[in-house]
Amino acid sequence: GESVGLHLPTLSVQEGDNSIINCAYSNSASDYFIWYKQESGKGPQFIIDIRSNMDKRQGQRVTVLLNKTVKHLSLQIAATQPGDSAVYFCAENIPGGSEKLVFGKGTKLTVNP
Amino acid sequence: AAGVIQSPRHLIKEKRETATLKCYPIPRHDTVYWYQQGPGQDPQFLISFYEKMQSDKGSIPDRFSAQQFSDYHSELNMSSLELGDSALYFCASSYGDYQETQYFGPGTRLLVL
Repeated sequence: GESVGLHLPTLSVQEGDNSIINCAYSNSASDYFIWYKQESGKGPQFIIDIRSNMDKRQGQRVTVLLNKTVKHLSLQIAATQPGDSAVYFCAENIPGGSEKLVFGKGTKLTVNP
Repeated sequence: AAGVIQSPRHLIKEKRETATLKCYPIPRHDTVYWYQQGPGQDPQFLISFYEKMQSDKGSIPDRFSAQQFSDYHSELNMSSLELGDSALYFCASSYGDYQETQYFGPGTRLLVL
């Protein structure tokens, strides 16, 4: 079936740098996307979401970009901190059914002090 | 702010036993989702409920069943447990069922021996 996928399984950055985590989705009908952060042994934590009628949305230190033309989603984290170290998942909602989320393969972000 | 509550947090069972996982959504949330996450995997949707009615079903084995009660809490019943059922089970809740943010609980870690 169709699913969301990530380009890189791991990403290592220096503290203070900006991080960019990418996600490619395959279902052009998807209209709602969410980024989650998951720390070891914990539940996914909501970071930011974006609807398909937008191409950019900003939060606190995070920005999500949506490129529907190439079906690409990215999460930018500014001034990455050690506490940002976690696995990041993008998830998509495909309309027509319930609001279940289809998760991509996570990217493990490691922030080096 | 109140979060999703799941119990138990950890559960150890033998093969062929049964297990019941409970989920208490955020107050006022009327939609509950269950996801299963294997080691190193992304969460996979199992089943969801909106206003106490099943709204969608994913890759949930026939050995599993779930329901949402009048107070909106949900229970996932798992019978004839198999080794492969060992995983993290997350419950998420939202208010409404259309492009509403799903907030995840801390999960129940099930180990089947």
